[in-house]
Amino acid sequence: DTAVSQTPKYLVTQMGNDKSIKCEQNLGHDTMYWYKQDSKKFLKIMFSYNNKELIINETVPNRFSPKSPDKAHLNLHINSLELGDSAVYFCASSPDRGREKLFFGSGTQLSVL
Amino acid sequence: AQKITQTQPGMFVQEKEAVTLDCTYDTSDQSYGLFWYKQPSSGEMIFLIYQGSYDEQNATEGRYSLNFQKARKSANLVISASQLGDSAMYFCAMRDFNTGTASKLTFGTGTRLQVTL
Repeated sequence: DTAVSQTPKYLVTQMGNDKSIKCEQNLGHDTMYWYKQDSKKFLKIMFSYNNKELIINETVPNRFSPKSPDKAHLNLHINSLELGDSAVYFCASSPDRGREKLFFGSGTQLSVL
Repeated sequence: AQKITQTQPGMFVQEKEAVTLDCTYDTSDQSYGLFWYKQPSSGEMIFLIYQGSYDEQNATEGRYSLNFQKARKSANLVISASQLGDSAMYFCAMRDFNTGTASKLTFGTGTRLQVTL
């Protein structure tokens, strides 16, 4: 069983479209995250939710909106996609806010044409 | 603000040799954790090893060990007996343990390791 699963693995779309990436974890963790990895492989946090509550919201355009229907799911919706949104988006989870390692999903490669 | 620095964009090592990947960090927190992740060409992020700031002994996990020098703020990863499958990007990361604030993992820019025959 995959611990943190995100879909789709690849997403190719045109500029201006709206798209969503879904993430689910079956580890019983309280905290989930979205990270963005750019073309230079740099990983940066975007959002974090703890028990459906938004706890981290980095400087991200408001075209990006996370939604957590329950603590096992954290979806990422992106409006009006731009070329610069092309990246790999990783979902992750951890047991609590602090000390534990993050478990990552396999990533979603988003290409905006 | 936290900062992680990995000064080696790329490293080569011969199979069966040991290699050290450098990581320095900057934080004003007393309580924090240091992590290393591996990202092979397939793209997934694989946890390797963890060191807490109050841990007195260096962490070890199989062929991986973390050379933790708190005064120098360094947390170098040592891979012993390198294997071809170790070829990947390696990321150092830090997490602060401040209570009352949301804790996030801050990553370095990564080191690409290539293991050669």
